[in-house]
Parts: sequence; structure tokens; C-alpha cells
Amino acid sequence: DAGVIQSPRHEVTEMGQEVTLRCKPISGHNSLFWYRQTMMRGLELLIYFNNNVPIDDSGMPEDRFSAKMPNASFSTLKIQPSEPRDSAVYFCASRGDRGTEAFFGQGTRLTVV
Amino acid sequence: SQQGEEDPQALSIQEGENATMNCSYKTSINNLQWYRQNSGRGLVHLILIRSNEREKHSGRLRVTLDTSKKSSSLLITASRAADTASYFCATDLQGAQKLVFGQGTRLTINP
Repeated sequence: DAGVIQSPRHEVTEMGQEVTLRCKPISGHNSLFWYRQTMMRGLELLIYFNNNVPIDDSGMPEDRFSAKMPNASFSTLKIQPSEPRDSAVYFCASRGDRGTEAFFGQGTRLTVV
Repeated sequence: SQQGEEDPQALSIQEGENATMNCSYKTSINNLQWYRQNSGRGLVHLILIRSNEREKHSGRLRVTLDTSKKSSSLLITASRAADTASYFCATDLQGAQKLVFGQGTRLTINP
């Protein structure tokens, strides 16, 4: 398996634009996590899915953020409209059975100017 | 708020020395995991210790868990320059399915 695949790797956008980050989890994994990493706040859990269903989105910072998982092999994190304070590295991770290790993608570095 | 907190935030040692990092957490867990992150890369899983275990080894890594104190430690023995990275603990919360990370310890091994 190629591991967790995120796209794009880098995104630079202007304030107010819509941004969509994509994630393909490892085949057979049934949990998917979205994290945001910044120097100030560390690695924050934004939302996680189990069997394509959002379980806990309490970490989503604002209504500008939304996430979907239409099927077991694809998830998106959307920011609309984007703001400079959204600049961060966004990671997607997946895992199989509950209580096992998570596998991370390489991340998307988002810069909002 | 973060579930886990690592201590120290940064650690710099000489190659060959041992490095110890600590993690404290707040609520009951199923297991605790340690991850490593090289600069600009994703996190990589190192070791998992279950709530009913007290100590676990993997190569040069030794992890301990004290559930009464809600704390864990990661020991890297005979450190190498290639061990330079950030290390994170993650708690797998009991009753939930989410994996929550601490702030991390930045480890620098000087040749």
C-alpha cells in the first residue's frame, strides 16, 4: 500500500478563497483523522470519522471549516472562506482497528496570504 | 485542550547519551502511543503501550506507563544523530475512538 496520501502538498491562496484538502486513507482502515499543526498550538485534532461517519468534530475551529468522507477511500477538509490564521500544516491519518497505531500522510502546508 | 503534555519541550544531548522524555495526561486511556516527526514530514509510529502494561521495549526504545500517575516516559538509549526529531505522545482515550497528541519534545543529538 502507498500509505496515506494527501494532496496538495503545498497550497498558497489568498484570503477569502475556498481551500479543499484531500486525503486517501490506507485501504481497509476504518478510522480517519484530520489534524492541524502550528508552532503555537501544536497538533490539534480537528475531526475524526469511523466507517465514513463523523464521530467528533468538536475540534473544528469555526463554521468556516467542514469535512466530508463520502466513501471509505476519500475525505476532504474544506475551508471557506480562508483566513491568514488558517495557515498551518494539515495532516490526515488513518488506522484500522480501534486501539491500534495511526498512519499519517505527509501533510498539506497551507499558506493564506 | 491538549490531553498529553510532554516534558521537556526541548532536549539537547551528545551522541551516545540516553534521552528521556516524559508525558502526562489527564483522563483514562486504552493505550498510549509514541510517535516521531522529522522536520517537515508526517508522524511515524514508534511504540504502543496498553493500559494494563507497565513497560515495553523495542530496539533502543523503552517505554514505561504509570496509570496511577497518568504518566509515561520514553527512553532512547545510545542516541545517534539520526534520532534528532520531535517526539510526541498520543493518548487513545477510553470510551472514545480519538487519538489526542501532546505538544511534543524536540530532541537534538549533537555529534
